[in-house]
Amino acid sequence: DTAVSQTPKYLVTQMGNDKSIKCEQNLGHDTMYWYKQDSKKFLKIMFSYNNKELIINETVPNRFSPKSPDKAHLNLHINSLELGDSAVYFCASSQQADHAEAFFGQGTRLTVV
Amino acid sequence: SQQGEEDPQALSIQEGENATMNCSYKTSINNLQWYRQNSGRGLVHLILIRSNEREKHSGRLRVTLDTSKKSSSLLITASRAADTASYFCATDAKGAQKLVFGQGTRLTINP
Repeated sequence: DTAVSQTPKYLVTQMGNDKSIKCEQNLGHDTMYWYKQDSKKFLKIMFSYNNKELIINETVPNRFSPKSPDKAHLNLHINSLELGDSAVYFCASSQQADHAEAFFGQGTRLTVV
Repeated sequence: SQQGEEDPQALSIQEGENATMNCSYKTSINNLQWYRQNSGRGLVHLILIRSNEREKHSGRLRVTLDTSKKSSSLLITASRAADTASYFCATDAKGAQKLVFGQGTRLTINP
């Protein structure tokens, strides 16, 4: 069974569109994250949620809106997509917000054309 | 920035040799972690070393931590082709509630 699963794996869309990426973890973890990995493989945290509450928002544009309906899910909605949003987005989870081992999803490769 | 820096950016060695990767960081930390990323995949946790630890082993992996120099190293012994991947260090800075990743070392093991 996949511990952290995110869908879709690939997403190609035009500029200006709105898209969502879904993430679910079956590990019973309290904390979930979204990371962005750029073309140079630099991985940067975007958001962190602990028990459905936002605890970190790393100066991400307002076009990005995370939503956590329950602690097993953290979805990422992106409005008005721009070329610079093209990247691989990773969902992750950990037992607590103090960052013990983090478990990552397989990533969603977003390409904005 | 508390971003970690890894050295070298790329490393290519022969199968069976040992591979050493280094990571430096800037702030006080709770722990430092190493992850592996195979091409097109997510990151997989390898090992966590706490700030009060100096060395840790896991199978063919050996991690050291020098908090006075704010640096860590990951040694993979007797490398195998399957070890080909990118390796990232991540620091859990005190009070930050987040992991900060370096840019990774791309390791290639030649058969």
